[in-house]
Amino acid sequence: DIQMTQSPSSLSASVGDSVTITCRASQTISSYLQWYQQKPGRAPKLLIYGATSLESGVPSRFSGGGYATDFTLTISSLQPEDFATYYCQQSYSTPFTFGPGTKVDIK
Amino acid sequence: EVQLEESGGGLVQPGGSLRLSCAASEFSLSPYWMHWVRQVPGKGPVWVSRISNDASTTSYADSVRGRFTISRDNAENSVFLQMNSLRGEDTAVYYCARGGPKGFDIWGQGTVVTVSS
Repeated sequence: DIQMTQSPSSLSASVGDSVTITCRASQTISSYLQWYQQKPGRAPKLLIYGATSLESGVPSRFSGGGYATDFTLTISSLQPEDFATYYCQQSYSTPFTFGPGTKVDIK
Repeated sequence: EVQLEESGGGLVQPGGSLRLSCAASEFSLSPYWMHWVRQVPGKGPVWVSRISNDASTTSYADSVRGRFTISRDNAENSVFLQMNSLRGEDTAVYYCARGGPKGFDIWGQGTVVTVSS
């Protein structure tokens, strides 16, 4: 199975800050990498697919980067609605594994 | 609005069975692979199973293989997860999700499964 790790596990930031979350796969996954946002009591929401493509309707302050084993999610100019938990997920091979999550909260 | 809605969760004793359903609204499931994902509160999501658009291919996580069965009825626009021999570690929120090149782009609201005596 492909293991996904994320760092940091949590971070505190202020509205307007830029933050970057890192995700690493235990083996190469090409660009088969998604990022999801989840708020308490809600289902995950797709933000980024194919490592770099922005899902329709998602604000352009979200961007994804990386290839093979190392990936990033950047949120430029954090907004109040962005405080949530973020997960990466690989769709290169089953089982489709998720990272442990990064919780972004208000400083 | 395009959406998925799960049902069928509940409280069941260890060793018992449940059948989850996932119904699609405002779009046809038939072209898509469909997935079940579960999540224990406070933990990350875990992929459980998938089924191809024509039901010819299914896959399972090791933790549920042999106990869970995924199926679909494209005429009913629904996907199902039959869960047998349930264990405490199967307790979670279960989501169905639409799969494709974008990963999981549509999720249901989830249904809670609690396995306890």
